[in-house]
Amino acid sequence: GENVEQHPSTLSVQEGDSAVIKCTYSDSASNYFPWYKQELGKGPQLIIDIRSNVGEKKDQRIAVTLNKTAKHFSLHITETQPEDSAVYFCAPNTGGFKTIFGAGTRLFVKA
Amino acid sequence: DGGITQSPKYLFRKEGQNVTLSCEQNLNHDAMYWYRQDPGQGLRLIYYSQIVNDFQKGDIAEGYSVSREKKESFPLTVTSAQKNPTAFYLCASTPGQGPYEQYFGPGTRLTVT
Repeated sequence: GENVEQHPSTLSVQEGDSAVIKCTYSDSASNYFPWYKQELGKGPQLIIDIRSNVGEKKDQRIAVTLNKTAKHFSLHITETQPEDSAVYFCAPNTGGFKTIFGAGTRLFVKA
Repeated sequence: DGGITQSPKYLFRKEGQNVTLSCEQNLNHDAMYWYRQDPGQGLRLIYYSQIVNDFQKGDIAEGYSVSREKKESFPLTVTSAQKNPTAFYLCASTPGQGPYEQYFGPGTRLTVT
């Protein structure tokens, strides 16, 4: 089955700095690569996703890059703000019903 | 507004009691899911349902049961057979099978003492 690893598990940055979180997966059939943000006590919400035929996607301060050959994709947040503080999960998917989520990265943005 | 509702937000039960967590969606999605989240960990799949009157075990189904009598509803029962039921439970839905975004509810925090 799919093995998903996220790094780092915790990330602390100064407001205005950039943050990068990496997700490595094992199933080469994965074709959908989303990132979810979970605020304290709430359910996760999709913030950006990319499909296997695209190498990079950007939405304002957030971007995702995909390297299918190396089987990893990364979340990039630029100009971080305190409201970016949350837990971020990757969840690569092959198109089936079962999704394996990464263990999460807790991001702290210090004002 | 379309979305997923879970109730209650917080639930407290005594050990040995069964408890049912509610999940309702008005997104007209065919597929629904239940996940368990423990502190500092990712989400683990308990059960999922592709369509009404059908459901499949996920990775940690032991001690849980579900039903899917209506498209909008997918309740989860945590039975007394679940060894460590205290956790945060999340319900989600997708339009169907395929690489879709998962829409999550706000979660129910269950504490069993």
